Amino acid sequence: DAGVIQSPRHEVTEMGQEVTLRCKPISGHNSLFWYRQTMMRGLELLIYFNNNVPIDDSGMPEDRFSAKMPNASFSTLKIQPSEPRDSAVYFCASRILQGGGYTFGSGTRLTVV
Amino acid sequence: KQEVTQIPAALSVPEGENLVLNCSFTDSAIYNLQWFRQDPGKGLTSLLLIQSSQREQTSGRLNASLDKSSGRSTLYIAASQPGDSATYLCAVVHILTGGGNKLTFGTGTQLKVEL
Repeated sequence: DAGVIQSPRHEVTEMGQEVTLRCKPISGHNSLFWYRQTMMRGLELLIYFNNNVPIDDSGMPEDRFSAKMPNASFSTLKIQPSEPRDSAVYFCASRILQGGGYTFGSGTRLTVV
Repeated sequence: KQEVTQIPAALSVPEGENLVLNCSFTDSAIYNLQWFRQDPGKGLTSLLLIQSSQREQTSGRLNASLDKSSGRSTLYIAASQPGDSATYLCAVVHILTGGGNKLTFGTGTQLKVEL
């Protein structure tokens, strides 16, 4: 298995632009998570899905952030409009719902200028 | 609210030394605990997963223990090597009131193994 695949690896965008981050979980994993990592806050859970259904989005910082999981093999995290304080590394992770460990993607490093 | 703390925050040791990283959590209602390493600018690599019913897991030079009742886990690294230099993160999957579960990360231990 290729693991959790995220794209793009790096994204530089101007303030106000829309940004879409993509994630392909490991086949057979039925939970998917979006995390954000910054020096100040460490790793923060933004949202997670079980069987493609959003379960907890309390970590989504603002309405500018939205996430979708249209099927078991794909998820997106969208920021619209983006702001400089959104600059961070965004990780996607997946796991088997019952008791499995988490597998993380390589992350997307977002810079908003 | 689950809080996960790791001690020490940073550690520098000479090559070959055995070392212990500590993790403590406040809510003992956990499903499992996972240790990760993160290299600078990279993603998280899973090292060991301990289910709540287990006491320890071993992989090569790594051994992780879990004492759920006291809210503690340790990661033991034997015969440390410069390639072990990284940030080590402890994370617990705990049960939420009302159902569901959540992964909470510790603050991390930054390890440097010197020649």
